[in-house]
Amino acid sequence: AQSVTQLDSQVPVFEEAPVELRCNYSSSVSVYLFWYVQYPNQGLQLLLKYLSGSTLVKGINGFEAEFNKSQTSFHLRKPSVHISDTAEYFCAVIIASGGSYIPTFGRGTSLIVHP
Amino acid sequence: DAGITQSPRHKVTETGTPVTLRCHQTENHRYMYWYRQDPGHGLRLIHYSYGVKDTDKGEVSDGYSVSRSKTEDFLLTLESATSSQTSVYFCAISLRDRGITMTTGELFFGEGSRLTVL
Repeated sequence: AQSVTQLDSQVPVFEEAPVELRCNYSSSVSVYLFWYVQYPNQGLQLLLKYLSGSTLVKGINGFEAEFNKSQTSFHLRKPSVHISDTAEYFCAVIIASGGSYIPTFGRGTSLIVHP
Repeated sequence: DAGITQSPRHKVTETGTPVTLRCHQTENHRYMYWYRQDPGHGLRLIHYSYGVKDTDKGEVSDGYSVSRSKTEDFLLTLESATSSQTSVYFCAISLRDRGITMTTGELFFGEGSRLTVL
């Protein structure tokens, strides 16, 4: 079974600084990878996804992520964060073939942007 | 907007009482899921459904049951609520049934139901 590790439970950062949220997964087969964002008192919404092709994926709100197969990582980055980016971020993985297509989620990383 | 509505959005109940949470969707998707979200645990799958009367257990199904008698409604029942079931519950749907190009497992979530068991 696949698993997802989000290495940081909380990431504080100042406004306009760059940020990286780390995600590693364990799977020996092809996977689909996702980042979801959850704003306070809301459900999760998709930020970006990697299915195949280019390893650099761009998402909404200026976020991007890079798939690294050798390191089994899918880190999320933004070059300059805003106060409004304060939220919980979840990484998720799905086995790409022959599976149930049910995602496994990481425990989440709380991004806190300070003015 | 995937047209997902959860009810109730907030509920406080006492230990031992039954509780039913409802998830309603308006677009006839086959796949529906119930997750619970707890600090330090992220999202954990309780049960899921792949069609009317077709359901299966997730990783934290003990103490929960589900029913799906209509495509649009997926009910989560706590037969006898315990304090350990205090959580935020999310319903989600998948677009898997919209053709091969959509079978990526991307989920659309409801707004959540906050349950407190005293």
